[in-house]
Amino acid sequence: DTAVSQTPKYLVTQMGNDKSIKCEQNLGHDTMYWYKQDSKKFLKIMFSYNNKELIINETVPNRFSPKSPDKAHLNLHINSLELGDSAVYFCASSSQREGLDEQFFGPGTRLTVL
Amino acid sequence: SQQGEEDPQALSIQEGENATMNCSYKTSINNLQWYRQNSGRGLVHLILIRSNEREKHSGRLRVTLDTSKKSSSLLITASRAADTASYFCATALSGAGSYQLTFGKGTKLSVIP
Repeated sequence: DTAVSQTPKYLVTQMGNDKSIKCEQNLGHDTMYWYKQDSKKFLKIMFSYNNKELIINETVPNRFSPKSPDKAHLNLHINSLELGDSAVYFCASSSQREGLDEQFFGPGTRLTVL
Repeated sequence: SQQGEEDPQALSIQEGENATMNCSYKTSINNLQWYRQNSGRGLVHLILIRSNEREKHSGRLRVTLDTSKKSSSLLITASRAADTASYFCATALSGAGSYQLTFGKGTKLSVIP
């Protein structure tokens, strides 16, 4: 069984569109994250949720809005997509609120904005 | 600014050789973690070393931590072609309100059969 899953794996869309990426974990973890990995492989945290509560919100345009319907799911909605949003987005989860424990990553969603 | 910096950025070795990657960081940490990323895949946790530990082993992996120099190294012994991947260090900062891992830019390891 996949521990952390993301859909879709690939997403190609036009500038200005709105899109969502879904993430689910079946590890029973309380904390989930969204990361963005740019073309140079630099991985930067965007958001973190603990038990459906937002605990990290890095400097990210407010076009990005995370939503956690329950502690097993953390979705990422992006409005008015821009060329610079093209990247690979990773969802992750961990058992500790402080994120000090190991994190389990999903396979990533490659977003291409044309 | 970025917390972890890996060195070298890229490393190419022959199968069977050892590979050493280094990571430097800037502030006090609670722990340091190493992750592997195969091409087109998500990151996989390899090993975690706490700030009060100096060395840790897991199979062919050996990690050291020098908090006085704010540096860590990852040694992969007897490398295999399947070890070809990017390797990232990530630091978990100490102190209240430190809820995140900060990743370095990674070392791209190529193991030639």
